[in-house]
Amino acid sequence: TQLLEQSPQFLSIQEGENLTVYCNSSSVFSSLQWYRQEPGEGPVLLVTVVTGGEVKKLKRLTFQFGDARKDSSLHITAAQPGDTGLYLCAGANSNYQLIWGAGTKLIIKP
Amino acid sequence: DAGVIQSPRHEVTEMGQEVTLRCKPISGHDYLFWYRQTMMRGLELLIYFNNNVPIDDSGMPEDRFSAKMPNASFSTLKIQPSEPRDSAVYFCASSWSLGQPQHFGDGTRLSIL
Repeated sequence: TQLLEQSPQFLSIQEGENLTVYCNSSSVFSSLQWYRQEPGEGPVLLVTVVTGGEVKKLKRLTFQFGDARKDSSLHITAAQPGDTGLYLCAGANSNYQLIWGAGTKLIIKP
Repeated sequence: DAGVIQSPRHEVTEMGQEVTLRCKPISGHDYLFWYRQTMMRGLELLIYFNNNVPIDDSGMPEDRFSAKMPNASFSTLKIQPSEPRDSAVYFCASSWSLGQPQHFGDGTRLSIL
């Protein structure tokens, strides 16, 4: 069974701090997607990484795909209250099915 | 562009009643997915369709759950009879291809009393 483990499960920090969340697996994925989910809404895609070692930036968010395409990280610089939400990673396996992580619940306090 | 539309947004019903959740995917998307989300189990794939045909229903928890997609613009997830442990948020999502980013509706929050 393919698993994607996300850590930490929960993170509460002050506005302005930096943070990193992780998405790890023993399996190789052809691509990895990051989503953010806000209360009362469905997950919304933030980014897709495809190539091992790839780094993508979305304003203050930096996403990296591991060289072996088994893991990924999301780094947020100078977190803002608007970054609050549930961050989910999902990896596409060899059958092109998405394997979902359990998510990291992030709270940014003003 | 219209996103994935789900209805109802909230449903509260008593145990034993039939529940029907509805979804309209994004036009042109060939894949439709039904998920269930709980605090304990996270986001679970229940079933997905390709061109209106069910492909993988291995995530459907029991025979009480059934899903249909009579045409490219409409799908239903039915629970009959419903039980309190079915309480969760149910999401519908669609994508143009398998493994590609999925577009989610805002979900149906289901409470079975």
